[in-house]
Amino acid sequence: DGGITQSPKYLFRKEGQNVTLSCEQNLNHDAMYWYRQDPGQGLRLIYYSQIVNDFQKGDIAEGYSVSREKKESFPLTVTSAQKNPTAFYLCASSKQVNTGELFFGEGSRLTVL
Amino acid sequence: RKEVEQDPGPFNVPEGATVAFNCTYSNSASQSFFWYRQDCRKEPKLLMSVYSSGNEDGRFTAQLNRASQYISLLIRDSKLSDSATYLCVVNPGTYKYIFGTGTRLKVLA
Repeated sequence: DGGITQSPKYLFRKEGQNVTLSCEQNLNHDAMYWYRQDPGQGLRLIYYSQIVNDFQKGDIAEGYSVSREKKESFPLTVTSAQKNPTAFYLCASSKQVNTGELFFGEGSRLTVL
Repeated sequence: RKEVEQDPGPFNVPEGATVAFNCTYSNSASQSFFWYRQDCRKEPKLLMSVYSSGNEDGRFTAQLNRASQYISLLIRDSKLSDSATYLCVVNPGTYKYIFGTGTRLKVLA
């Protein structure tokens, strides 16, 4: 079955550590996205990628980095520069960057201790 | 004004009731509209796209009113399993999908 796989589902991090969240899709979608969700807030866009080897900052990119070396993969690194990283992180994809619905992975819940 | 606004609720309704949610958007150039359902601590899942002429999927009906810049979702014959948060999503034809904060629905036995 086609879909998006995120790992890990739950992650605990000490302050000052970088962590990388994995996102893999087998939907053959060109566009991939990373969102952050905090309680009581809508999803906020961190980074997006229209195509391999290209990615753009979203609304809240500070303290995050991404790469898109393969069409299937769009990992997100939460760096120590991110001041409030505890959140629910959602990876999504769409056929192209501005059309069609978004398909989401199951999410990664990051807690900073 | 927020780009996409929803009443956060909660809407508490008895089983079998009909309930409707609205979502207003500020960008008149918006082109694509969606309703997603999100269960507690889970990812959003597409409920339905919203087409200009309105569309229906079983007990769910979505409408678009471009003149007043809102979309609506009607749920008939509510089930306990409909309890969730319903997210309105708008795409103005760019990379950016804009999410509302969601409307929480509780269907009561």
